[in-house]
Amino acid sequence: EDKVVQSPLSLVVHEGDTVTLNCSYEVTNFRSLLWYKQEKKAPTFLFMLTSSGIEKKSGRLSSILDKKELFSILNITATQTGDSAVYLCAVEDNSGGSNYKLTFGKGTLLTVNP
Amino acid sequence: DAGITQSPRHKVTETGTPVTLRCHQTENHRYMYWYRQDPGHGLRLIHYSYGVKDTDKGEVSDGYSVSRSKTEDFLLTLESATSSQTSVYFCAISRQMNTEAFFGQGTRLTVV
Repeated sequence: EDKVVQSPLSLVVHEGDTVTLNCSYEVTNFRSLLWYKQEKKAPTFLFMLTSSGIEKKSGRLSSILDKKELFSILNITATQTGDSAVYLCAVEDNSGGSNYKLTFGKGTLLTVNP
Repeated sequence: DAGITQSPRHKVTETGTPVTLRCHQTENHRYMYWYRQDPGHGLRLIHYSYGVKDTDKGEVSDGYSVSRSKTEDFLLTLESATSSQTSVYFCAISRQMNTEAFFGQGTRLTVV
């Protein structure tokens, strides 16, 4: 079963819109949650979240984690066509074992139209 | 950019042949990962390494093996390639837990 679930799977908006992407997780021994942006190549790092309720912000992007309800959101305000990409959520956990690993969700495909 | 290089970048091979993909890093990071990315599945972990000679399976490890004989290199081997292993393979590295992972540029493997 999926441990990291992202929604929606795809989203089409117009420039200037605000979007919220969701990531829920169910893992053993959570360590951190990471957001990545992937265009037509390798994923690039956006944020890492380890504590609940503390917003991370970078320009028009922001993200927050809720460790009680086991989810995170990624907000993008005033979207631009350059924001079009797949946004990936990943969770670091150890699945009850001794070593931690990074598990990704399927991603949200965001398309921003002019 | 993080010093991480995947080779080859593209490969076409025949069913039943062995294939080895290489991930090389110059960052001295402890953790190294191999993922495959397929439409509708996102990034799925194949194997990962938490140190030299220390490796573990991910969620889609069947048909793959790995080796890490030195910090900088993590090899992914398909012992007998199948068409279902046609995919884009990404290597990633991270210094330690609770730090971001950096990705290589990917290897597009086609098994015909």
